[in-house]
Parts: sequence; structure tokens; C-alpha cells
Amino acid sequence: AQSVTQLDSQVPVFEEAPVELRCNYSSSVSVYLFWYVQYPNQGLQLLLKYLSGSTLVESINGFEAEFNKSQTSFHLRKPSVHISDTAEYFCAVSDQSTSGTYKYIFGTGTRLKVLA
Amino acid sequence: DGGITQSPKYLFRKEGQNVTLSCEQNLNHDAMYWYRQDPGQGLRLIYYSQIVNDFQKGDIAEGYSVSREKKESFPLTVTSAQKNPTAFYLCASTKKPRTGELFFGEGSRLTVL
Repeated sequence: AQSVTQLDSQVPVFEEAPVELRCNYSSSVSVYLFWYVQYPNQGLQLLLKYLSGSTLVESINGFEAEFNKSQTSFHLRKPSVHISDTAEYFCAVSDQSTSGTYKYIFGTGTRLKVLA
Repeated sequence: DGGITQSPKYLFRKEGQNVTLSCEQNLNHDAMYWYRQDPGQGLRLIYYSQIVNDFQKGDIAEGYSVSREKKESFPLTVTSAQKNPTAFYLCASTKKPRTGELFFGEGSRLTVL
């Protein structure tokens, strides 16, 4: 079964500084990876996803993530953060169960706090 | 507008009472999921369903039950057997299990007194 590890529970960073949120997954076999963002008391929204092809994927609001098969990582980066990026970020992987159905496994989340 | 609607947004119940959380979607998605979110633990999968009248247990199904009688609806019952039911519950759906984006509702916060 797949699993996802987000080692950093909280990441404080100053406005306009770069940030990297780390995500490692457990298996490289046909892996599909996702990053979601959650604002307080809301559901999650997709930021970006990696299915195949180019290992660098980008979102519309300046985030990017790189799929690294050798390091089993899918770290999320932004070169310059804004106060509005303050939120919780979740890495997720899809996984096939023994019944043949598909489920999504989430990491424990990283709380990004952007400081003025 | 298409989306997922969860209700109620906030719910208070006494210990020993069963509670049903509603999840309705008008996205024509086949697959639906229930997650529980607790601080520092991320999202943990309770139950999921890929087609009507069929569902599978997730990692923390004990003390919960679901039904999937209609494509649009996937209600979750938190039973009195759930030892620690106070949490934030999220419902999600996708058109394509495995590769598709999950669309989430705004969540239901259950507090058991």
C-alpha cells in the first residue's frame, strides 16, 4: 500500500522569500501524486498533480512541484510567497486496494505561515 | 453551480447518540469518499464508494457506516461505537478514481459533548 510522509508540520517564512514543502512517497510503481491546499474551516482544493510526462508541474498561482523517482519525492516550491499563501498543504497519492478500487492517501499536512 | 454540499456545517451531540452527516454532489461523479481530519493527523479515509450500492472500508471504518443508494448521495453515520467522534469530516468526489482531482465539500464539524 502507498503512503505519504510530510516531515514538516509547520513552516514559517517571511513574505517574498522562497519556500519548499517536502513530500515523500513509499512506492514508485505507477504513482500518481497530488498537492492540495486548505484554508481555515474549508475543504481542500487541488493545487497541482503529477500523472506522467514532464517531472515538473506548475499551478496557476506560482507553485511548482518536481517528481523525483530516485528520491521518491514530490516537493512543493514557490520562489516568492505572499501573505495569502498562509494555509495548510497536503500531499496525496492514489493507491489501488486489494479489491481493485482506488483510494487517495493523504499526508499529515504542512502548515505554511507567511510572516510580514 | 456544480459542487459538493455537506450538511450540517456544525453539529453537537451527546455521547451515545448516532449522527448522520449528509453529502450530496451534482457533479455526476461516480466515486465518493469520506475523510476524518484531526489536528496533526492529516486526512484519514473512513469509507469510499466507486459505484452505487457498493462501498469499501477505509483505514478507520470502525464505528462508522455509510450507504450509497443514489449516485448523488453518500451519507455517513457516526455511531455510538465510535470512541472518539469529535472531528472535522470531509466528503469528496471524483470523476476518475486513481488519476482524477478530488472535489471537496466544506466539511462538517462534529462535537460530542
